[in-house]
Amino acid sequence: NAGVMQNPRHLVRRRGQEARLRCSPMKGHSHVYWYRQLPEEGLKFMVYLQKENIIDESGMPKERFSAEFPKEGPSILRIQQVVRGDSAAYFCASSFTWGTPNEKLFFGSGTQLSVL
Amino acid sequence: AQKITQTQPGMFVQEKEAVTLDCTYDTSDQSYGLFWYKQPSSGEMIFLIYQGSYDEQNATEGRYSLNFQKARKSANLVISASQLGDSAMYFCAMREAEQGAQKLVFGQGTRLTINP
Repeated sequence: NAGVMQNPRHLVRRRGQEARLRCSPMKGHSHVYWYRQLPEEGLKFMVYLQKENIIDESGMPKERFSAEFPKEGPSILRIQQVVRGDSAAYFCASSFTWGTPNEKLFFGSGTQLSVL
Repeated sequence: AQKITQTQPGMFVQEKEAVTLDCTYDTSDQSYGLFWYKQPSSGEMIFLIYQGSYDEQNATEGRYSLNFQKARKSANLVISASQLGDSAMYFCAMREAEQGAQKLVFGQGTRLTINP
């Protein structure tokens, strides 16, 4: 029973390039969350998606960032025209049901994005 | 306002001793959940323990227990008989229900180091 799969594990981009981060949720999970972690900080919520729908994107920067969770395939976090400040660890999490308080999130191993 | 506060940036403990990691939270919701996650140096986020706001008993999971004091809004993690493998970052997180929020809000974390 595979957990949340994120790839790539490490991604290096030059300023101005695009970064695409992929996340496959746990089997049977239809709710996906993206978080960003800067060095020595906690995780910050970015976006919550269900299949084909963005439910809450209150933590997403207004420009250059987008996320999708298509009917088929993984969830994608896309960062256009990356800047050095985008360097961080990006975590994906999934859950089975809609957000009740005790809903446990299962996290992937993260993608470490480094912008040169 | 900070939702989750972890006041101990770092802690050093001798192996086999018990350790308490502090966490206080701020919410006006009646229904919420509190979580602890462990992040070892490899980077993944590992779920440790959950406490619901309506739970009357303190949560326990093996060597982990949660000292939940609702009136004080604190949810401290207690690790009994610490082991070298417990060295990691530990994050407290909260999920609120009544505000319609689907996201976990994380504290800044505590870096725990277990000395042999």
